[in-house]
Amino acid sequence: QSVLTQPPSVSGAPGQRVTISCTGSSPNIGAGYDVQWFQQHPGRAPKLLIYGDNYRPSGVPDRFSGSKSGTSASLAITGLQAEDEADYYCQSYDNSVSAVVFGGGTKLTVL
Amino acid sequence: QVQLQESGPGLVKPSQTLSLTCTVSGGSIRSDKSYWSWIRQPAGKGLEWIGRIYTSGNTDYNPSLRNRVTISMDTSKNQFSLRLTSVTAADTAVYYCARDSTSSSWSNHFDYWGQGTLVTVSS
Repeated sequence: QSVLTQPPSVSGAPGQRVTISCTGSSPNIGAGYDVQWFQQHPGRAPKLLIYGDNYRPSGVPDRFSGSKSGTSASLAITGLQAEDEADYYCQSYDNSVSAVVFGGGTKLTVL
Repeated sequence: QVQLQESGPGLVKPSQTLSLTCTVSGGSIRSDKSYWSWIRQPAGKGLEWIGRIYTSGNTDYNPSLRNRVTISMDTSKNQFSLRLTSVTAADTAVYYCARDSTSSSWSNHFDYWGQGTLVTVSS
């Protein structure tokens, strides 16, 4: 049971827009801790996509964007491409357990 | 360009100690004001943060593993290490080392990761 809750899967056709939600609670996202998002292709290490709720590291396309409100955050991907098919994880900090926490992950399928 | 590389035994017997080392290149763990973390991922499952060590040597651990985990650093070799005692099959996972270059206590910035190493706990 992850501290941050994500849908197990989402899907979309090429060119479409999809969103992935990340639901937390008062000790983590609701406390004001930033949310990060990672993309992970099979057999590969996670890659930082979004940090500080909505900032993209250099090299990450602007098709990826993050937002946060209250105790939840979302990752939006526009103009879906085949290479976006991967697992996506949200991450934050939880002060009730004093630990870095991850969501359970969402598998994105590009139809 | 910072690079991290995990190394260590791929097979550990139950009840024994898992030991892994992360070698950092392209940067100095002594002077780089970052947290150096260990994160693991069981096959087909999500990511679990194990713990971290700061440049100063201070450590933080996941409460669920705190009584079994030790993270240390060897600045002379530019390495940091993980020790996990009394392992069981539930500790079988891909283990990643990662740099968290955040400058804020309200955020994280896992910007560089090792490729990961599979550790299997089995007799």
